[in-house]
Amino acid sequence: NAGVTQTPKFQVLKTGQSMTLQCAQDMNHNSMYWYRQDPGMGLRLIYYSASEGTTDKGEVPNGYNVSRLNKREFSLRLESAAPSQTSVYFCASTLGPVSDTQYFGPGTRLTVL
Amino acid sequence: DAKTTQPNSMESNEEEPVHLPCNHSTISGTDYIHWYRQLPSQGPEYVIHGLTSNVNNRMASLAIAEDRKSSTLILHRATLRDAAVYYCILRREYGNKLVFGAGTILRVKS
Repeated sequence: NAGVTQTPKFQVLKTGQSMTLQCAQDMNHNSMYWYRQDPGMGLRLIYYSASEGTTDKGEVPNGYNVSRLNKREFSLRLESAAPSQTSVYFCASTLGPVSDTQYFGPGTRLTVL
Repeated sequence: DAKTTQPNSMESNEEEPVHLPCNHSTISGTDYIHWYRQLPSQGPEYVIHGLTSNVNNRMASLAIAEDRKSSTLILHRATLRDAAVYYCILRREYGNKLVFGAGTILRVKS
């Protein structure tokens, strides 16, 4: 099992450009999450999907959109990137919405110039 | 969500036990205490969780105060690989979100 995979690992964007961060899990998990982590801080939830076909806003959703493409994949889109979105982005998944353990991907380091 | 308070950093010697404290004075009866850790340049990983009783697993032990207003993560023999940021998180019984604080940076000296 690869667990939770994320692509790309690194990305540099110019202000105003758009991009999509990809996340996939092979554990047959129902729930998936997107977090961002700014330097020296803990993770903050952007969006989550409790099950296929549903998505909900987290703590910091502004400037982002998500798509739960199927049970395996959950993408995060930045329509018009801003320097304030420079961060490390982590995807996570759990078996169900009340499961005990979240499994995290390795992260995508995004820099917006 | 109830908040947790952890020391910013702690230091330990290799092969010695480490006790990482966490205060959560506003914890509610349905809040589970979770611990995750984040090694450098990696995503967080689950360590342990509990509700009222002390818990043990292959990675660590979790000691929960009788009034549940504090808890302690215990690493029985710290290794250099245990150097990481440790997060103490409260999660509601039917809550699916983890709210991360700044955590405790654990440094392990050889």
